[in-house]
Order: sequence, then structure tokens, then C-alpha cells
Amino acid sequence: QQQVKQSPQSLIVQKGGISIINCAYENTAFDYFPWYQQFPGKGPALLIAIRPDVSEKKEGRFTISFNKSAKQFSLHIMDSQPGDSATYFCAANAGNNRKLIWGLGTSLAVNP
Amino acid sequence: NAGVTQTPKFQVLKTGQSMTLQCAQDMNHNSMYWYRQDPGMGLRLIYYSASEGTTDKGEVPNGYNVSRLNKREFSLRLESAAPSQTSVYFCASSDPWGITQYFGPGTRLLVL
Repeated sequence: QQQVKQSPQSLIVQKGGISIINCAYENTAFDYFPWYQQFPGKGPALLIAIRPDVSEKKEGRFTISFNKSAKQFSLHIMDSQPGDSATYFCAANAGNNRKLIWGLGTSLAVNP
Repeated sequence: NAGVTQTPKFQVLKTGQSMTLQCAQDMNHNSMYWYRQDPGMGLRLIYYSASEGTTDKGEVPNGYNVSRLNKREFSLRLESAAPSQTSVYFCASSDPWGITQYFGPGTRLLVL
């Protein structure tokens, strides 16, 4: 059972465009929502994260939007660049549970 | 400060052979994880260790064993490799809450 559903599976965006990746969850005990970025041949690395007490968090060109009532959160990449081409994973964590629940990933390609 | 290191980087096995994947971290983290990554399947947790001396099964533990040798090292053993275990294996360690996970570079395993 996939507790964190991520869409789309793949995404192609033109340079300078906005990339949007969505995730939905069911478990209301989740209280931390990170996004990880993975380049080909590398391990994932934390990109940005949010807690449900805020609706938006921005770091540079990357923004997380969080909708607690809809149990959804999304990653927006503004002014997308070819260097952003990677696989993006959303995840969720519940309290003192040391495990992350992962989405299946989105492969983003930014065309020059 | 090397972070999380994994050996080997790449391995080819024949069906029925055994091998051990090694992982070490130098961040003094208590929690460590083994994942496998397959196309379209995201990151699936094989085993994790909340602290030295403890290990717990994850989502896909069958066919694998682990050893938490000390605080730094967490190894994954395949006793009798099968083609279904062809995958990319990632080791990770995390902060005390398991929220920020730091990944190694991965081991690419091909079982013929």
C-alpha cells in the first residue's frame, strides 16, 4: 500500500519554465515532509522540507506548497534549468518514527 | 568528512553466489538504513538499524541479512543471490529523528 502517492511519474519542461510535482498522503500522523533530489549515478540528497504548521516554504527557486486539509503537498521549481534534471522524491515522516515513507519518484528533464 | 561510503561500487554475481555489501558513516549517526532502488519502484527499505546492536526488517527483507557491526558500519549480505536481486543498493544514515537521511553513492548489483 503506497502511503505517499507521487505524480507525475515523469515530466519534461522547457528551460525557464515551472516544474510542478505533486504528492498526496493519507496518514494524518505524518508531520514532516521532505523532498529529495537524485542525480543519475548518485544517492538521493535532501533538497527542501516542510512541517504542516506552514503552508509554504521557499528556498531559492524551490518552493514547497502544503495543503493540510487536502493532505497534499507539492514541489515547484521556478525558472527550471537543465541542471535541475534529476529524479525527485517526496517523503513523509511520523513523529519519532525514524523511517521515511517514500513516493515513487518523478523523473524531471529540463530541455535547453 | 566522507559522509556515507559504500563498497563495492559495482558487482556482478552468478545465481546462488553470496556477497556482502559494506557501508560506513562518519557522522556519528545512530540510525542506518539499506534500500534498494528499481525502475518505477522508488526506494524500498530492506532493513534498518535504529542503534548499534539493533536491526529491524523493512518492506522487502526476504533474501537479505544485515549486521550492525558497530556505530559506524552496517553491512548487507546476500546469502544466495537471485536475478530478482539485481538492483541498485543504497545505504543511508540519519539524524536522531530519521528525518534527514544521508545517502551513500550506491552499489550496482547484477545477478546473472
